Amino acid sequence: DTEVTQTPKHLVMGMTNKKSLKCEQHMGHRAMYWYKQKAKKPPELMFVYSYEKLSINESVPSRFSPECPNSSLLNLHLHALQPEDSALYLCASSYGTARGSGNTIYFGEGSWLTVV
Amino acid sequence: DQQVKQNSPSLSVQEGRISILNCDYTNSMFDYFLWYKKYPAEGPTFLISISSIKDKNEDGRFTVFLNKSAKHLSLHIVPSQPGDSAVYFCAARYNTNAGKSTFGDGTTLTVKP
Repeated sequence: DTEVTQTPKHLVMGMTNKKSLKCEQHMGHRAMYWYKQKAKKPPELMFVYSYEKLSINESVPSRFSPECPNSSLLNLHLHALQPEDSALYLCASSYGTARGSGNTIYFGEGSWLTVV
Repeated sequence: DQQVKQNSPSLSVQEGRISILNCDYTNSMFDYFLWYKKYPAEGPTFLISISSIKDKNEDGRFTVFLNKSAKHLSLHIVPSQPGDSAVYFCAARYNTNAGKSTFGDGTTLTVKP
């Protein structure tokens, strides 16, 4: 079972709203990721969590705040977003973060975010 | 500077024929390469990968070839099926972190019945 589940699938929020995206995996993976993907563009890495600790922040604006409550859950808290933040937000996980061949990244279906 | 390039934005193939998707990279430090498939409104799905110590990896109808000297890899799908119609992303990485893959812009494959 290689399943990463994300909720909600669609989210529309105003620029003053506070909302959260949620991600869950039960594959025993210890690394979890947030990516952002615009239409017709490849995924862009935002954050990496390894063993529930933030290990990489790709210079993401503070209006995006990740949280990893436990090894199976990853949240992305959203506040004061801009219309240009509208995109598909993908959660992913892998067994580990080392570059070995076993650490393939598995993506969820994504959460479509529209900021109005 | 785009380190992973998929120069063909789209490819159309007849059902039953071979689909060949190409990917070029510039960074010789990349040592692991992956192909992902993405349907509209879904996240990318891992398809097949290859380590730089190999030049070929096969999984059912999918085969990835790596030519390190040319910094080129390709994905062959034989025989192509209409359900293969999707966007295919090539990705490469060398960093110590598995998440820091560099993705190409994708190639949209259409398999016609």
